[in-house]
Amino acid sequence: GQNIDQPTEMTATEGAIVQINCTYQTSGFNGLFWYQQHAGEAPTFLSYNVLDGLEEKGRFSSFLSRSKGYSYLLLKELQMKDSASYLCALLDDKLIFGTGTRLQVFP
Amino acid sequence: EAQVTQNPRYLITVTGKKLTVTCSQNMNHEYMSWYRQDPGLGLRQIYYSMNVEVTDKGDVPEGYKVSRKEKRNFPLILESPSPNQTSLYFCASTWTSDTSNTGELFFGEGSRLTVL
Repeated sequence: GQNIDQPTEMTATEGAIVQINCTYQTSGFNGLFWYQQHAGEAPTFLSYNVLDGLEEKGRFSSFLSRSKGYSYLLLKELQMKDSASYLCALLDDKLIFGTGTRLQVFP
Repeated sequence: EAQVTQNPRYLITVTGKKLTVTCSQNMNHEYMSWYRQDPGLGLRQIYYSMNVEVTDKGDVPEGYKVSRKEKRNFPLILESPSPNQTSLYFCASTWTSDTSNTGELFFGEGSRLTVL
């Protein structure tokens, strides 16, 4: 199977750095996505990792280690608008989503 | 503007009354999919379509039907809705059905359905 585990909730302070982890159990997959979803809205694409390593996009970075079954999303210089759910998703023969991590950013 | 459009955005209905949620994309995407999102369960795939006239069951297809007569449209049909189908529904699409090259999913704004 492709059980995907993420923490349910996290909190952080404006301006800080937060790391959201995603672990999975699967023998093989094409790549791993991270999506952001504000409450009541559609998910929006953040990143896609195919190879091991770090992909950086402005304040957001995503890391993948296939051998360790592990990915993380790193958010720097947190802003209030970053309060949202962050969904990890594995692409195999189809896209499988984790249940998401709800991040609350406080002033 | 490139987008995925769902209608209705909000609907309250009663058990057994057939309803259709429409989904249309203007990006010439081959792949389209329906998800439902419930608290604590995340996004679960209902049905997907690789191309016109090609549809397949996802993880939770029971109680739903779909059709793909045209590339741009992928309606979700609830023949006899039940309260356990109360959920937030998302339609999504992407460029290619080849999973080794599938790009990001573009999501519609969601349809919140309540079945009484």
